Amino acid sequence: EVQLVESRGGLVKPGGSLRLSCAASGFSFATYSMNWVRQAPGKGLEWVSSISSDTSDTSYADSVRGRFTISRDNGKNSLFLQMNSLRAEDSAVYYCARWGSEAWAFDYWGQGTPVTVSS
Amino acid sequence: DIQMTQSPSSVSASVGDRVTITCRASQGISSWLAWYQQKPGRAPKLLIYAASTLQSGVPSRFSGSGSETDFTLTISSLQPEDFATYFCLQANSFPLTFGGGTKVEIK
Repeated sequence: EVQLVESRGGLVKPGGSLRLSCAASGFSFATYSMNWVRQAPGKGLEWVSSISSDTSDTSYADSVRGRFTISRDNGKNSLFLQMNSLRAEDSAVYYCARWGSEAWAFDYWGQGTPVTVSS
Repeated sequence: DIQMTQSPSSVSASVGDRVTITCRASQGISSWLAWYQQKPGRAPKLLIYAASTLQSGVPSRFSGSGSETDFTLTISSLQPEDFATYFCLQANSFPLTFGGGTKVEIK
């Protein structure tokens, strides 16, 4: 069974940093591109960042480029999102999501972890 | 960036009704479109990818159609468990973008 489990988010002050992690199991993690997607309270979904299976390619939404860094450790089946210079508008539930190789879409999602940026 | 315009933003329907939701892309995306269902407090669930391919385990009352700029998600006979919010996703190019969502409510 495919499982994606995000680490606990939390409350961070504006300008602060937070690192999210996502533990993957039930599939060959090293062969899939992985992503972060977020959803602000009561709002729609926003793609944040993607990383290829071999880490050679990364992509970011304009809203986070230069502040967030996506990475992965294939040996530990883990995905990470380092978030720096956090702003109030970064407050959201953050989801880890697998990019399907057959279904060219996010095919499995974690349960999501809330991040609140507030003083 | 490719903008995804989803309509309607909400729809009230009864069990057994046929419901249609549309997504329009600001430029052609071939068939690189997916549909998701999301219930409150839950992660989105993939329903359809490549515009019309049903994800494994998804009931056949869900169907998708369209190509390039105009896409449709149809629920042929609405069931109680289908009351949720639905999103489209363009998977053609970065940045990946979602439609604004359609909330399907009980009439």
